[in-house]
Amino acid sequence: SAVISQKPSRDICQRGTSLTIQCQVDSQVTMMFWYRQQPGQSLTLIATANQGSEATYESGFVIDKFPISRPNLTFSTLTVSNMSPEDSSIYLCSVERGGAGELFFGEGSRLTVL
Amino acid sequence: GIQVEQSPPDLILQEGANSTLRCNFSDSVNNLQWFHQNPWGQLINLFYIPSGTKQNGRLSATTVATERYSLLYISSSQTTDSGVYFCAVGTGANSKLTFGKGITLSVRP
Repeated sequence: SAVISQKPSRDICQRGTSLTIQCQVDSQVTMMFWYRQQPGQSLTLIATANQGSEATYESGFVIDKFPISRPNLTFSTLTVSNMSPEDSSIYLCSVERGGAGELFFGEGSRLTVL
Repeated sequence: GIQVEQSPPDLILQEGANSTLRCNFSDSVNNLQWFHQNPWGQLINLFYIPSGTKQNGRLSATTVATERYSLLYISSSQTTDSGVYFCAVGTGANSKLTFGKGITLSVRP
């Protein structure tokens, strides 16, 4: 398995502000993934973050709204910019371990936007 | 993209009962995982099972890749089994997963 730590675990934010979520992994990984889970919904992939290159965003997600950094092989950040109540979600970081494609998830960051 | 359908959407069990959760997918996959999301939102890995059968205690899973479905069996259910069970599949070499909508399980004492 993998030890994946996310910060903050939860936060309450004001409309129009931005928040950066951190993801720290206990060993080096090539790809890190950011998912969003809106209330009562399933998980949706936001983007794939590779070290040393721009993140690859899925349809419906843009860099201006969800900028991602990947400064090294154990760390990534996701920023949720100019937040609105619709951004209230759990944001999860995940990594692949074991070489066979199995994904492991951090404990998630639960954001509430007022 | 690939479609993932889970059934039933909701399930209520009495403690001690057995259950079967189903996941159908619309295309060939090279990755299939079952997760349990606990009430605090954390995703717990249950099985990595793109094909075949695995067992872990009271839980077991079977994936029939040629027929594009997977089953998760829970035996002698406990209240701690409550939560949402997700099936997620991958089709490429990049480990991206597409999630089903989940099955909400409530186990009553």
